[in-house]
Amino acid sequence: DAGVIQSPRHEVTEMGQEVTLRCKPISGHNSLFWYRQTMMRGLELLIYFNNNVPIDDSGMPEDRFSAKMPNASFSTLKIQPSEPRDSAVYFCASSLTSGGSGEQYFGPGTRLTVT
Amino acid sequence: GQSLEQPSEVTAVEGAIVQINCTYQTSGFYGLSWYQQHDGGAPTFLSYNGLDGLEETGRFSSFLSRSDSYGYLLLQELQMKDSASYFCAVPGSARQLTFGSGTQLTVLP
Repeated sequence: DAGVIQSPRHEVTEMGQEVTLRCKPISGHNSLFWYRQTMMRGLELLIYFNNNVPIDDSGMPEDRFSAKMPNASFSTLKIQPSEPRDSAVYFCASSLTSGGSGEQYFGPGTRLTVT
Repeated sequence: GQSLEQPSEVTAVEGAIVQINCTYQTSGFYGLSWYQQHDGGAPTFLSYNGLDGLEETGRFSSFLSRSDSYGYLLLQELQMKDSASYFCAVPGSARQLTFGSGTQLTVLP
């Protein structure tokens, strides 16, 4: 298996522009998570989906952020309009919800820089 | 809500043993997980404790005491490649993770 795939790996954009981050989870995994990592705030959960349905988006910082999961193999995180404080590494992770450790498999991340 | 505390930095020498502690406060408890993250990389799963006691995986072990809301990660026979950040994390009801702030481990030759 290729693991969790994220694109792009790096994104540099200007303030006010729309940014779309993409994620393909591991086939067969039914949970998908979006995290953001910064030096100041560490690793924080933004939103998660179970069987393509958003379960909790309370971690989304504000209305400028939105996420979708139209099918089991694809999810997007969109920021519109982007601001410099959105600069961070955004990780997507997937897992099987039931049983075991709930081990999450993280993608390589998208490093976003908003100037 | 959930909160976790762990030391910000730990330094040890190659071949030594190091213990990284984690205390937590949660509204519901489903276990304690540990993740490793190298600079520029993604977090990778190390271990999970759902029950009290010690779990061993090669050079790494993890311990949980639910009555004390405490756990630790034990790394033995340290190698240079173990230099990384280590995060404790508590899963929620849907396995969503709340992470501690991370412990930066530096292994010296």
